[in-house]
Amino acid sequence: QVKLVESGGGLVKPGETLRLSCTASGFTFSDFYMSWVRQAPGKGLEWISYISSTGDTVYYADSMKGRVTTSRDNANNSLYLQINTPGTDDTAVYYCARDTDYSLYGMDVWGQGTTVTVSS
Amino acid sequence: EIVLTQSPATLSLSPGERATLSCRASQSISTYLTWYQQKPGQAPRLLIYDASNRAPGIPARFSGSGSGTDFTLTISSLEPEDFAVYYCQQRSDTFGGGTKVEI
Repeated sequence: QVKLVESGGGLVKPGETLRLSCTASGFTFSDFYMSWVRQAPGKGLEWISYISSTGDTVYYADSMKGRVTTSRDNANNSLYLQINTPGTDDTAVYYCARDTDYSLYGMDVWGQGTTVTVSS
Repeated sequence: EIVLTQSPATLSLSPGERATLSCRASQSISTYLTWYQQKPGQAPRLLIYDASNRAPGIPARFSGSGSGTDFTLTISSLEPEDFAVYYCQQRSDTFGGGTKVEI
């Protein structure tokens, strides 16, 4: 079945580079735009970025520009999010999501999320 | 940056009642508005795209309307599984703060 599985979360110290992965299965990964969204404990959703199906176009939320890098490897059905010099306010559950192929906007498949805790 | 304001923050209703949730944008976003449902410990679920189109598999009791700056999500008759938090999102960008629908 269609599935997204995030990995790479855990406890990291402030300033340590963090790289999250998302592995897709059950669909043709290279046909879809993909997105990252996060949710701090007890808070709402925050969109981070999206990347085109080929990986040549990436858009970031203003609050994340310069701090994160989104990339993908279509040969390995994988999506990545790198967070440089994370701070404690980057503590959150990070979700990868598939953008729909039937509308311009909207994410129709989500992973279960990976929890990142930034603490010394 | 376009800001989305959802109201009310909490909606207390009973099963069978009608729920009306609002999402207001700080500037016009045409119909580029998406609604999601999120239950505790779960990932969000796509409900409505392009302001008024139900995503595949979404029950007909969910409907969306609006354009420009004012949008509404309506649940015509609440089922027990509908008690959750609902978020709106504009384009592939900012989310609203959410509305919790509680019993």
